[in-house]
Amino acid sequence: QVQLQESGPGLVKPLETLSLTCSISDASIGSYFWSWIRQPPGKGLEWIGYIYYTGSTNYNPSLKSRVTMSVDASKKQFSLKLTSMTAADTAVYYCAAFGGWNTWFDPWGQGTLVTVSS
Amino acid sequence: QSVLTQPPSVSGAPGQRVTISCTGSSSNIGADFDVHWYQQLPGAAPKILIHGNINRPSGVPDRFSASKSGTSASLAITGLQTEDEADYYCQSYDNSLSGSVFGGGTKLIVL
Repeated sequence: QVQLQESGPGLVKPLETLSLTCSISDASIGSYFWSWIRQPPGKGLEWIGYIYYTGSTNYNPSLKSRVTMSVDASKKQFSLKLTSMTAADTAVYYCAAFGGWNTWFDPWGQGTLVTVSS
Repeated sequence: QSVLTQPPSVSGAPGQRVTISCTGSSSNIGADFDVHWYQQLPGAAPKILIHGNINRPSGVPDRFSASKSGTSASLAITGLQTEDEADYYCQSYDNSLSGSVFGGGTKLIVL
């Protein structure tokens, strides 16, 4: 059973860059697309983007100018960088496995709360 | 403003049946892209409940069912139980955004 675990800072200053990593267990990195999804406190889910092990990416157009995803197959990890963070980026960030463009996200990591504050 | 529209909340008494709607457009559900449903219990990550419009993963009770028609989809829960109290989200693909989209979520209150 695939397991995912997010890691990264819980607090980011305004205008800084967020860096998160998701570690993959019990799955080959080539088995899925790997995605990031976020959820502001008390609000709904927002898809951020996904990456394939080849490095191919697809980002949410609303975040595309600030997002970079990468993958490290040797470590079985994939990462998210989000630049120019503001209070509106405060959210729980989830990583999730994804079967491809018309499929669903499963499983999800437990999520990590990122707060943007000085 | 979410691309897929869900009612903010629905409620029902234990044992009753409730439905949650998910309304999209011709660039997502209406374009015949699949709809998937998630259950998010308080303080937990979302978990897949229904995939591919109608399919229940192993372990999901058959009290949960879903359907899709035109530009909308619907999740039905029969025999409501207190443990069903959660947030429910629909998700699909949108070809004008070239990516996944979620509904705004529906809070199910079991009275």
